[in-house]
Amino acid sequence: TQLLEQSPQFLSIQEGENLTVYCNSSSVFSSLQWYRQEPGEGPVLLVTVVTGGEVKKLKRLTFQFGDARKDSSLHITAAQPGDTGLYLCAVRTSGTYKYIFGTGTRLKVLA
Amino acid sequence: DAGVTQSPTHLIKTRGQQVTLRCSPKSGHDTVSWYQQALGQGPQFIFQYYEEEERQRGNFPDRFSGHQFPNYSSELNVNALLLGDSALYLCASSSIGQGFDNEQFFGPGTRLTVL
Repeated sequence: TQLLEQSPQFLSIQEGENLTVYCNSSSVFSSLQWYRQEPGEGPVLLVTVVTGGEVKKLKRLTFQFGDARKDSSLHITAAQPGDTGLYLCAVRTSGTYKYIFGTGTRLKVLA
Repeated sequence: DAGVTQSPTHLIKTRGQQVTLRCSPKSGHDTVSWYQQALGQGPQFIFQYYEEEERQRGNFPDRFSGHQFPNYSSELNVNALLLGDSALYLCASSSIGQGFDNEQFFGPGTRLTVL
């Protein structure tokens, strides 16, 4: 069974700090997605990475796909209270339409 | 564009009862997936519907069933409710034309509490 482990599970930081969250697996994936979920809402797709070593930037968020396509990281620069939420990574199981989500990192940015 | 809508927002049932949750996909989308999200965890894939048929199923018992209508809307039915079925149920829609790695748009979910 494929498992996506995310770390840390919880993170509470002050506004302006930098942080990195991780998504790890022992399996190789063709692509990986990152989502953010706010309370009372469904997850919203932030980015899809498809190439080993790929780096994508979305304003203050930097996403990296591992060279071996088994892991990924999300780095936030100068975090803001609006970044607060549950960050989830997800992959599609090879040859199927089934998506597996990671365990999530719950981020709280204090003003 | 209304996006993905789900109803009801909240629901309270007792053990053994049956429940039906509803989802309307984003305009232009033809594929609907259902997920169960327990408190503090990531969503778990229940099944996906396309062309009114269940195309893919996750590791959920037969108590969980679904339906997709000609207008692409979908229902999730859960029979013989257990306390462990308490969760946020999310619906996600996508378009088959985008291929395997299509972008899923999620609704706000239905919070089901089983007492």
